[in-house]
Amino acid sequence: DARVTQTPRDKVTEMGQEVTMRCQPILGHNTVFWYRQTMMQGLELLAYFRNRAPLDDSGMPKDRFSAEMPDATLATLKIQPSEPRDSAVYFCASGLVPDGDRVNAEAFFGQGTRLTVV
Amino acid sequence: GQQLNQSPQSMFIQEGEDVSMNCTSSSIFNTWLWYKQDPGEGPVLLIALYKAGELTSNGRLTAQFGITRKDSFLNISASIPSDVGIYFCAGRFSGGGADGLTFGKGTHLIIQP
Repeated sequence: DARVTQTPRDKVTEMGQEVTMRCQPILGHNTVFWYRQTMMQGLELLAYFRNRAPLDDSGMPKDRFSAEMPDATLATLKIQPSEPRDSAVYFCASGLVPDGDRVNAEAFFGQGTRLTVV
Repeated sequence: GQQLNQSPQSMFIQEGEDVSMNCTSSSIFNTWLWYKQDPGEGPVLLIALYKAGELTSNGRLTAQFGITRKDSFLNISASIPSDVGIYFCAGRFSGGGADGLTFGKGTHLIIQP
């Protein structure tokens, strides 16, 4: 049963600390997305990668957030330094975009990392 | 950026009733998707639509891609308790080559037995 795996599931940290969230995309998927979910803003796209190359990170605060894909099986989202306003659920999603000649926008989500910055 | 207006925000219905929710956009989308999210979980893909006018079913769920490409609806027939959750529409904007999805704010479905 292929699925996106995210760790940790929950993270509580103090303001100013570095936070690293990890994601293992579904094997064979070429596109990895990072989304953030809050009550006020809903689901927002932060960044995404195609074949490990960053394509768009315009939704991400550049001064403190960074996203990388060290290899095809690992994507990371790092916040340094963290602030209380970063508290949210962070989702990683992966997809096969495009799928050959087929237009494919389907993104499959992990269970998320619930981040609380105090 | 593109915004999706999803309605209603919440629905309180009786088990067995049919449900209808929709999304509209001021921009043209080339793809519409519908997701369901349970508490503490990530969104799960229900239906994907790729052509204007397309009507697709998945069990008791039916979704349509509007002819104008600016709207989509999701219907659930004969609701059951496990249908409870938050339903999100998502669209991929047709311009700019971006692949990220824009999400609606969700419809909370609550079913009374």
